[in-house]
Amino acid sequence: NAGVTQTPKFQVLKTGQSMTLQCAQDMNHNSMYWYRQDPGMGLRLIYYSASEGTTDKGEVPNGYNVSRLNKREFSLRLESAAPSQTSVYFCASSVARLNTEAFFGQGTRLTVV
Amino acid sequence: GNSVTQMEGPVTLSEEAFLTINCTYTATGYPSLFWYVQYPGEGLQLLLKATKADDKGSNKGFEATYRKETTSFHLEKGSVQVSDSAVYFCALTSNAGNMLTFGGGTRLMVKP
Repeated sequence: NAGVTQTPKFQVLKTGQSMTLQCAQDMNHNSMYWYRQDPGMGLRLIYYSASEGTTDKGEVPNGYNVSRLNKREFSLRLESAAPSQTSVYFCASSVARLNTEAFFGQGTRLTVV
Repeated sequence: GNSVTQMEGPVTLSEEAFLTINCTYTATGYPSLFWYVQYPGEGLQLLLKATKADDKGSNKGFEATYRKETTSFHLEKGSVQVSDSAVYFCALTSNAGNMLTFGGGTRLMVKP
């Protein structure tokens, strides 16, 4: 069972470069999420998509854009990377709203130099 | 807004010791509460959950009881193993939406 798959696993960018983090889930989930994880701060929500065709800002959306390409895929784009975006990024999905378990990918470790 | 506060780590225990990781929350409505665990190099996975007051979630010897009167969801295990070494996150999702709000995480290290 693949679950939630993220690519790439590691990436180093120079300041000002752009890149897209890819995420796909094979569980037919309606909702998908992008989080960043920083030491001592837990996970913070960047953007989420409650259903195909919709996206909404989370707690820390500045500097990011997202695309819900179809029900399976939800990508995160950094248009002009900054050192403050150095973090571990996790994609997650869940069946639907309310009281639902989230399934997480293995993460992308991004370093911006 | 919603928030989750959990004890800072790291927590270092000897094998077979008793574990408690404290978690308190602030939320509107009637949140569901979760404990997620992250093993080294992996993503988070659900450990246990409780969806209403006085519910007890349990899994793999871990337990947590939803205490609405104290807005708490403390994680306990009677006898930890080396394999329990991981980072533990308390989280909630309120009925206002489907977003998970996480605490800062507590690293547990269990020594043989």
